[in-house]
Parts: sequence; structure tokens; C-alpha cells
Amino acid sequence: GAVVSQHPSWVICKSGTSVKIECRSLDFQATTMFWYRQFPKQSLMLMATSNEGSKATYEQGVEKDKFLINHASLTLSTLTVTSAHPEDSSFYICSASRRIDYGYTFGSGTRLTVV
Amino acid sequence: QKEVEQNSGPLSVPEGAIASLNCTYSDRGSQSFFWYRQYSGKSPELIMFIYSNGDKEDGRFTAQLNKASQYVSLLIRDSQPSDSATYLCAVRGTSYDKVIFGPGTSLSVIP
Repeated sequence: GAVVSQHPSWVICKSGTSVKIECRSLDFQATTMFWYRQFPKQSLMLMATSNEGSKATYEQGVEKDKFLINHASLTLSTLTVTSAHPEDSSFYICSASRRIDYGYTFGSGTRLTVV
Repeated sequence: QKEVEQNSGPLSVPEGAIASLNCTYSDRGSQSFFWYRQYSGKSPELIMFIYSNGDKEDGRFTAQLNKASQYVSLLIRDSQPSDSATYLCAVRGTSYDKVIFGPGTSLSVIP
């Protein structure tokens, strides 16, 4: 149990366009999902906490107008990178937990390349 | 002070040996501790979680927690080349839901 699906696995987009990444909990309801970004050879950096039915909570330094998060249901959260630029190229990963103390299950990640 | 610290490595061990990975954390009120394994280009996968002082064993893996010393470790017995990956220590602090990741330790198991 506790499967998290993330799509797409990879995407290449032109600079200035927007990209939407979906994160779904397949076999459980996730009231809270998390979005991370990981640059090469670096650790996971929490971008925001996505709460179902309410606004996301962004970490310091993360532009909320650039990284739009929507958590419309208990099984789906989306991250939209708006007006993407090459420096937004990174590995974006979502996660959720059936129970907090049992750890987080990660989606498979999305490799975003902005050209 | 960083919230979760790990030696970046790389840590190299011969096949069959014990690999010891260490992690320290700054939030004394932290309640849950996790070890993740991440292969290059892939998402992290949960190996173990622990929240009581002492040892917790699962197959070849043993997690050790010492809250007084704010220290958590992961031992991998009979290391295999397939264990070569980056190991991430993660800590859930006093802020509910929020999990902080360490920078990760790169492990290389030499055949």
C-alpha cells in the first residue's frame, strides 16, 4: 500500500512556457502532500506543503506565484511551474504519507528541462 | 547550524562488509527518524523508520537511535554492490508534518 504516482516522468519545455506536474495517491487519501526539488548531487529541498482544500504553505525563498500548487482532492495535488526558465530545470518530486510516523512515499519524480 | 547533518562521503566498503552511516540532528524535540535510499536519477525509497531509542532491525538493515545524543545511524550488514546509492537521513521535528532531509551519504560497495 501507500503508492504515489507522479506524471510526467520527464518533460522538456521552452523557456517562458508553463508545465504542470501531477501527483496522485493511488490507494490512500492524502490530506497533505509535499513537493521537493532536487538539483544534481544535492539533497531534497522542500518547496511547499500542499493541503487539501486550502492554500499551500511555501518554504522561504520559494516563489508562490511561480510554483502554483493545487490540492483539489484527497488524492491529487498539482505543481505548475509558470513561465519556466532554464534555472528551473531540476528533478521535482512529490511525497505523501498514509500515516506520518510511517514515513513518506515518494512519487517517481519529474525531470524538468527548460530550453 | 544545519538541522540534519550527514557525512557526504563517498563511503567505500568491500562487498560483504558492514556499512555504517551516521546522522545528527539539531531539533531535540524531533520525534520520527527515517532512512531513505536513492539511486542516481531515481526518487528516494524508504528503508526504515524509527522513533524509540535503541535498535531496530529489518533484514540486513539496523537503525540505531540515541535521542540524548541526537544521533541516528544505519548499519548495512553483508553489503552488496546493489546497496551502492545515496542514503538520506530524514527527521520529523516538532513542527507537525514537516520532514527535514540531510544532505545524504554516498555509499559505494566494491565487489
